[in-house]
Amino acid sequence: GAGVSQTPSNKVTEKGKYVELRCDPISGHTALYWYRQSLGQGPEFLIYFQGTGAADDSGLPNDRFFAVRPEGSVSTLKIQRTERGDSAVYLCASSSLPNYGYTFGSGTRLTVV
Amino acid sequence: TQLLKQSPQFLSIQEGENLTVYCNSSSVFSSLQWYRQEPGEGPVLLVTVVTGGEVKKLKRLTFQFGDARKDSSLHITAAQPGDTGLYLCAGEIIQGAQKLVFGQGTRLTINP
Repeated sequence: GAGVSQTPSNKVTEKGKYVELRCDPISGHTALYWYRQSLGQGPEFLIYFQGTGAADDSGLPNDRFFAVRPEGSVSTLKIQRTERGDSAVYLCASSSLPNYGYTFGSGTRLTVV
Repeated sequence: TQLLKQSPQFLSIQEGENLTVYCNSSSVFSSLQWYRQEPGEGPVLLVTVVTGGEVKKLKRLTFQFGDARKDSSLHITAAQPGDTGLYLCAGEIIQGAQKLVFGQGTRLTINP
């Protein structure tokens, strides 16, 4: 597609539930990133994929968070046993190397109640 | 710990005025990017600077990377209501690390 597509745009879930957030990057972009943005803050790095592999997952806050990109295109961010503190906008971005600028999606607003 | 500090956090000025937003750090960056974000949207890249002392212009916006590559500024001339938004700076600490550190943003409001 023309841009980075994220679905759903909004997700409300109950504490303790499992959620999946999807990112469809720009066609041909080999690099894919997940960031999390809390209210009033800048985005924080979660994980970076180069192709199918997670090249850097140092930003994942704990083992409840996991992300995959099995075919080197679409990626899914998975959150187990959600907590209220997980509420934020989850942003996906893609780029073609070298990285001199990302294209971000519009994000998924996750609310844990 | 905020690696990149932006100032001011909030700025509200009248149409036609000039303004400067600052992005400062004690760390050296291999490159620095500026983004603009509208409500409900992801950040949109405005510019990337990579060389110490580099100056780039985008219409009424002027971006400068500090000589030591630790800081940057965004200057807007004759601000217009369409410039309203959240401006974010983001730095790559290690070249090729593919991981950006973002500032907390400057929320700019231009009043007609």
